[in-house]
Amino acid sequence: DADVTQTPRNRITKTGKRIMLECSQTKGHDRMYWYRQDPGLGLRLIYYSFDVKDINKGEISDGYSVSRQAQAKFSLSLESAIPNQTALYFCATRASGDDQETQYFGPGTRLLVL
Amino acid sequence: DQQVKQNSPSLSVQEGRISILNCDYTNSMFDYFLWYKKYPAEGPTFLISISSIKDKNEDGRFTVFLNKSAKHLSLHIVPSQPGDSAVYFCAGSSGYSTLTFGKGTMLLVSP
Repeated sequence: DADVTQTPRNRITKTGKRIMLECSQTKGHDRMYWYRQDPGLGLRLIYYSFDVKDINKGEISDGYSVSRQAQAKFSLSLESAIPNQTALYFCATRASGDDQETQYFGPGTRLLVL
Repeated sequence: DQQVKQNSPSLSVQEGRISILNCDYTNSMFDYFLWYKKYPAEGPTFLISISSIKDKNEDGRFTVFLNKSAKHLSLHIVPSQPGDSAVYFCAGSSGYSTLTFGKGTMLLVSP
């Protein structure tokens, strides 16, 4: 079983719709992250959370919100989707005691906003 | 302002030869550097890392070199294998537990 799972894996939605992407992990890590990947732009950080009561904005948080429902769950919401939010979205986790800064990624959610 | 730059979008290498992937950075506060490998339809997977206090770290066929004065690191894969064909991302960490990624280099290893 995968340690970091993301649902859905693929999603098509229309402009203006609200959509939620979910991430769950069984690694027991306290830190969780959301990234988006666009062709030619690499991975960019949207939001991150160091524990259930801690939420931080990343490089490109505008248009997104997150919720850390439990240590193992971190969801990303697009309140009103727009076409330039079409991208590949990745969730990642990290253990706070890991001094090598290693993050473990889920398989990704491919989102298309029409 | 790109803090991590991978200036080669792609690299082609023959099986058995050395692959060298390069990465430059501008943020002097980075204290750890990581390389990730990504196959299509999968998430990035951790490959190898190096602390800023070291200049080399080796793990099997993979070696990362760090030149702090030049703000440059490189990943060497020897010997390259067709299964190494993937996109490779370089990332830096500045101690705040977030990673800044480069745009990636697509490596193609041909038999």
